[in-house]
Amino acid sequence: EIVLTQSPATLSLSPGERATLSCRASQSVSNYLAWYQQKPGQAPRLLIYDASNRATGIPARFSGSGSGTDFTLTVSSLEPEDFAVYYCQQRSSWPLTFGQGTKVEIK
Amino acid sequence: QVQLQESGPGLVKPSETLSLTCTVSGDSVSSFYWNWIRQPPGKGLQWIGYIYYSGSTNFNPSLRGRLTISVDTSKNQFSLNLSSVTAADTAVYYCARGNWNYYLDYWGQGALVTVSS
Repeated sequence: EIVLTQSPATLSLSPGERATLSCRASQSVSNYLAWYQQKPGQAPRLLIYDASNRATGIPARFSGSGSGTDFTLTVSSLEPEDFAVYYCQQRSSWPLTFGQGTKVEIK
Repeated sequence: QVQLQESGPGLVKPSETLSLTCTVSGDSVSSFYWNWIRQPPGKGLQWIGYIYYSGSTNFNPSLRGRLTISVDTSKNQFSLNLSSVTAADTAVYYCARGNWNYYLDYWGQGALVTVSS
């Protein structure tokens, strides 16, 4: 199965700052990668699919890039509601797999 | 608005079968892919498997052999059965819709299932 490795494990930032999260795949997933946001006690929410497409209703401050094995999720200016855990997920091959998550916390 | 809701026992004894049902509203299970995902307390996400309305399934190999997923189109529900559970199966279990690109675009709120005697 494809292993997704996210870095860093924790990102400590202030509101208004830029967040850059990384996801690296153990083999190429083309652009078949998604990003999800999860807040405590809630289900994950789809943010980005096919590496760079925002899901319905997702603000423009969220953007994704990358292809092959290296991907990035960028939040251009953190809002208070953006502090959460972010997961990447690949759908290039079965089983679907997720990264271990990056926690974006308030500095 | 598509909504999913998990239901089932919150406590299961070791070696028994974990059973959960997901009720879908705002969409029909006769389209798309209907998934189960789990998350052990404080840990990451693991995809369990999906069922298509036709009954075709795809499972995580790590759980194959213990897993059954079924769909009831008349009730607009799909269900998960995981047999021979151990403490390692303790998790929040989510149901989710997989769209035509297999991304998980709608999720239930999750159901905590604890395996303990």
